[in-house]
Amino acid sequence: AQTVTQSQPEMSVQEAETVTLSCTYDTSESDYYLFWYKQPPSRQMILVIRQEAYKQQNATENRFSVNFQKAAKSFSLKISDSQLGDAAMYFCAYRSGRGGAQKLVFGQGTRLTINP
Amino acid sequence: GAVVSQHPSRVICKSGTSVKIECRSLDFQATTMFWYRQFPKKSLMLMATSNEGSKATYEQGVEKDKFLINHASLTLSTLTVTSAHPEDSSFYICSASQAGQGVSAFFGQGTRLTVV
Repeated sequence: AQTVTQSQPEMSVQEAETVTLSCTYDTSESDYYLFWYKQPPSRQMILVIRQEAYKQQNATENRFSVNFQKAAKSFSLKISDSQLGDAAMYFCAYRSGRGGAQKLVFGQGTRLTINP
Repeated sequence: GAVVSQHPSRVICKSGTSVKIECRSLDFQATTMFWYRQFPKKSLMLMATSNEGSKATYEQGVEKDKFLINHASLTLSTLTVTSAHPEDSSFYICSASQAGQGVSAFFGQGTRLTVV
């Protein structure tokens, strides 16, 4: 079974600075997808960024980028120019690349605080 | 992104009664929906996979007779918590995706269930 581990229960960063959230995963599959979801106080899960395992290039979405190290099974999220609205729980998630809709396996989450 | 609507957002029920939570995909057909449970300050734990027109697949340890899932149409899945007890109080979240139309899952707003 696949597992996802986020080793940082809490992180904090000064507004406008850069922060990196860590995520490692374990799988025997070669085809899969990785995600970062944001859960603000409203508890609505919001997709931040997605990475396909077959792509070598790291995904980027505006201020959010990932460092995908497939051999090391590492998938960190970098948030640049942190904003107060970035404060939330962040979950790393794994999805099998097998056909059909597949469930997400979540990490434990990292609570990110932005200091003004 | 696609829109998933979950209703109600909050519900309080008396111990021993049943409560139904709805999850709708508003702008796409969802052949598969997922139901998660989230305890305070914890990650999302998959309860069951709901497949349109067939029986749900429950995760190990989830009582299928307590958490009834129905996915009668391509846009609606329901979770009914039967004979609710205080320990069933939690945050329940649904997500939906459709095979062949992207691999990202989209989440409902969640339902906070309180059993008194």
